Amino acid sequence: NAGVTQTPKFRILKIGQSMTLQCAQDMNHNYMYWYRQDPGMGLKLIYYSVGAGITDKGEVPNGYNVSRSTTEDFPLRLELAAPSQTSVYFCATLDGTEAFFGQGTRLTVV
Amino acid sequence: QKEVEQDPGPLSVPEGAIVSLNCTYSNSAFQYFMWYRQYSRKGPELLMYTYSSGNKEDGRFTAQVDKSSKYISLFIRDSQPSDSATYLCAIWSSYKLIFGSGTRLLVRP
Repeated sequence: NAGVTQTPKFRILKIGQSMTLQCAQDMNHNYMYWYRQDPGMGLKLIYYSVGAGITDKGEVPNGYNVSRSTTEDFPLRLELAAPSQTSVYFCATLDGTEAFFGQGTRLTVV
Repeated sequence: QKEVEQDPGPLSVPEGAIVSLNCTYSNSAFQYFMWYRQYSRKGPELLMYTYSSGNKEDGRFTAQVDKSSKYISLFIRDSQPSDSATYLCAIWSSYKLIFGSGTRLLVRP
């Protein structure tokens, strides 16, 4: 089992560009989450999904969009990247009481 | 008001010390409380999970929930340099998993 796989691991974007952060899981978990983590800070919830076709906003959704067409995939879309979106992005799944995290995507917007 | 708040530290202790990490939460209806550990440049990993109130022990780690004061704690006994990491408390409510800001712990040899 690969668990939760995030791609890419690193990316540099220019202001105004767009990109999609990929997240795939092979554990058949219904709940999936996207977080951002700024240096020295905790995890802030961007979006979450309770199953295919169902998504909802978290604490900091502005500037992001998600879709969940399958149980396995939960991509995060950044439109019109801004320097404030420089962060480490984590995708996670939840199995009952335990969350499983990907290795993160380090994004820099310049 | 944030749903869960945590002192960011950093906290520096000598090896062998007892460490106390704490969080407060805002909603008395919360029932599921977790502690995650995050090493540098890695994703968080679950340490402890408690439901409702009371204590839960796992080796050197004890998680405690005080619902009357809306306070959750993690105690680490006989701390080791390998315990140096960021510790995040979390609550799960209404399908959302919300984290505190994390406390950075350094255990000095």
